[in-house]
Amino acid sequence: DTEVTQTPKHLVMGMTNKKSLKCEQHMGHRAMYWYKQKAKKPPELMFVYSYEKLSINESVPSRFSPECPNSSLLNLHLHALQPEDSALYLCASSQPSMRGGGGPSYEQYFGPGTRLTVT
Amino acid sequence: AQKITQTQPGMFVQEKEAVTLDCTYDTSDPSYGLFWYKQPSSGEMIFLIYQGSYDQQNATEGRYSLNFQKARKSANLVISASQLGDSAMYFCAMREGPGGGYNKLIFGAGTRLAVHP
Repeated sequence: DTEVTQTPKHLVMGMTNKKSLKCEQHMGHRAMYWYKQKAKKPPELMFVYSYEKLSINESVPSRFSPECPNSSLLNLHLHALQPEDSALYLCASSQPSMRGGGGPSYEQYFGPGTRLTVT
Repeated sequence: AQKITQTQPGMFVQEKEAVTLDCTYDTSDPSYGLFWYKQPSSGEMIFLIYQGSYDQQNATEGRYSLNFQKARKSANLVISASQLGDSAMYFCAMREGPGGGYNKLIFGAGTRLAVHP
C-alpha cells in the first residue's frame, strides 16, 4: 500500500482565518514532506520532517507552521495567509529503498493534495 | 549546483504509439538518483520510475523505461504503447543528498503530454 491521504481536498479561507491541512501515511515511512505547487509549475519544497524532527525549512514565512505529532501524521497550520499563498499543497513521504545503484532511492509518495484558495 | 532541464513544454502522441520525454541534468555528485513523476489534472504526483547513477542497465517499469545516458547527462522517459490515460504533466527530478533519512528533490519544469485517439 503506497497511500498518502490529505484532508481537506479543497479549502477556501480568508486572510484572517486559521486553518490546518492534514496528511497521513501508514507505510512506516520516517520522512515526510510539505510542498507548495502553483499552476503550471513544479512543486516547491517547504518543509521536511525526518524521524518526527524538522530537518528542512526552506525559508518559509512564519504564517505556515508545520507539525509532526507522530510518525504517521503531518500537519500544516495556516494563519494570516495572503492571496498569493493560493496553491496546491502536496504532502509526501519516503523511506530508503534499494531500487538500484547510487544509494537508496528514497522515492517520495505523494498525497492527492489540498487546493487552497485565500480570499 | 544541481539542475534538471526539461526542454519540451508540451508533447503530442497518437494512442498506441511510443513517446520520449527529454530530461537532462547537471550535478558534480558521483552518487545521485533520477526520478520521473506523472501528475494528472487531479493533482496527485505519481512515482513512475527511478534510475540510480551506478546502475548499469536502464530502469524499466511496465510500459515505462528510462533511457539513461550518463556521459550525456540525460535521463529520458520512454512510454510505450501510449494510452489516453497517459495524458498528464510529467516531471523529471533528481535526488539531492541523501541526507539523514530523507532526500530533497530538484524538479524540472515539466512536460505536458497529450495522447490523441
